[in-house]
Amino acid sequence: EAGVVQSPRYKIIEKKQPVAFWCNPISGHNTLYWYRQNLGQGPELLIRYENEEAVDDSQLPKDRFSAERLKGVDSTLKIQPAELGDSAVYLCASSSRQRQETQYFGPGTRLLVL
Amino acid sequence: GQNIDQPTEMTATEGAIVQINCTYQTSGFNGLFWYQQHAGEAPTFLSYNVLDGLEEKGRFSSFLSRSKGYSYLLLKELQMKDSASYLCAVRPGGYNKLIFGAGTRLAVHP
Repeated sequence: EAGVVQSPRYKIIEKKQPVAFWCNPISGHNTLYWYRQNLGQGPELLIRYENEEAVDDSQLPKDRFSAERLKGVDSTLKIQPAELGDSAVYLCASSSRQRQETQYFGPGTRLLVL
Repeated sequence: GQNIDQPTEMTATEGAIVQINCTYQTSGFNGLFWYQQHAGEAPTFLSYNVLDGLEEKGRFSSFLSRSKGYSYLLLKELQMKDSASYLCAVRPGGYNKLIFGAGTRLAVHP
């Protein structure tokens, strides 16, 4: 079984530029999560999807961040414009309806904003 | 508020046993998780406790005391490959959402 796939793995941009991250969850997993992990910290939830519906986006900075999961499978997280403080690893995770307690993480996208 | 505390760093010797503690204060509780994260890699699931007591899985065991807001991860017969960060996470209430601690960076020496 393929794991959670994310791309790109690394991204370097200048501040004020836009950036987008893509995630393909494990096949059949209805719940998808986007986390941000700063250096030396644990992941922090940005948004959670149940199928195509965003059910928890309370931690998403909505002035510059947006996300979508149009067909309830792949998801895209966008930042526009990026700021220096957005430098972090952006992790995508998914879980199944049958085993909601276990989240499987992708390798993450390491973003550096200069 | 939500607060999860764990030591920042620990060191141990190959073949030994190490215990990584985690204390939590959250608005509601619906499970405690331990994840392992090697540098530059994704967190991988290790264990899940929702009832008090010890859960054993090979060389790894996890303990939970809900009344004390306390958990530990026990690693036996340490190997060099166990050098990683260990993340404690709590699922508060009925929401399928994890709140992570900052992680404990474990270094295993020969």
